[in-house]
Amino acid sequence: EAGVAQSPRYKIIEKRQSVAFWCNPISGHATLYWYQQILGQGPKLLIQFQNNGVVDDSQLPKDRFSAERLKGVDSTLKIQPAKLEDSAVYLCASSLVPIENTEAFFGQGTRLTVV
Amino acid sequence: AQSVTQLDSHVSVSEGTPVLLRCNYSSSYSPSLFWYVQHPNKGLQLLLKYTSAATLVKGINGFEAEFKKSETSFHLTKPSAHMSDAAEYFCVVTLYNQGGKLIFGQGTELSVKP
Repeated sequence: EAGVAQSPRYKIIEKRQSVAFWCNPISGHATLYWYQQILGQGPKLLIQFQNNGVVDDSQLPKDRFSAERLKGVDSTLKIQPAKLEDSAVYLCASSLVPIENTEAFFGQGTRLTVV
Repeated sequence: AQSVTQLDSHVSVSEGTPVLLRCNYSSSYSPSLFWYVQHPNKGLQLLLKYTSAATLVKGINGFEAEFKKSETSFHLTKPSAHMSDAAEYFCVVTLYNQGGKLIFGQGTELSVKP
């Protein structure tokens, strides 16, 4: 079974530039999550999709971050403009169903460095 | 509000000795609890999960965890550490009735000395 695919693996940009990350979840997984993991901290949820609808985006800095999930499959996360504090690993995860005891499968993440 | 606290940011053991990674949780409801492991440059992988069945949960690679409601703990153990166990470990709780949202602890870095 193919896992969660993310690209790119690494990205270095200057502050105030824009950047986009892509995620392809496991086939058939209705729920997709984007997490931000700052160095030395646990991942923090940015946004959760159920199919192509947003379930939770309460922690997404909407003035600069946006995300979409087209046709309920692939998803993109965009940052515009980037700030230094956005340097982190961005993790995409998917799960079959959105209930509390369901395993989430994670991609390898995109490491973003903002200089 | 639900949360988890990992009591140690770093644990160092010798190969062949027991591993104990401590986690306390806070939850108004009966929680679902997980341990995930993150090896360098790899994705997070599920070790084990507790979902109100047996309180002693066995996971992959010889790890297990015991849910203790009276102590609000969910500590991760392994009888004998292996070099390949060196990684970052996260204790995770999911929010009741909120669609599987995962709340992560700060993480514990496990080092294994030869």
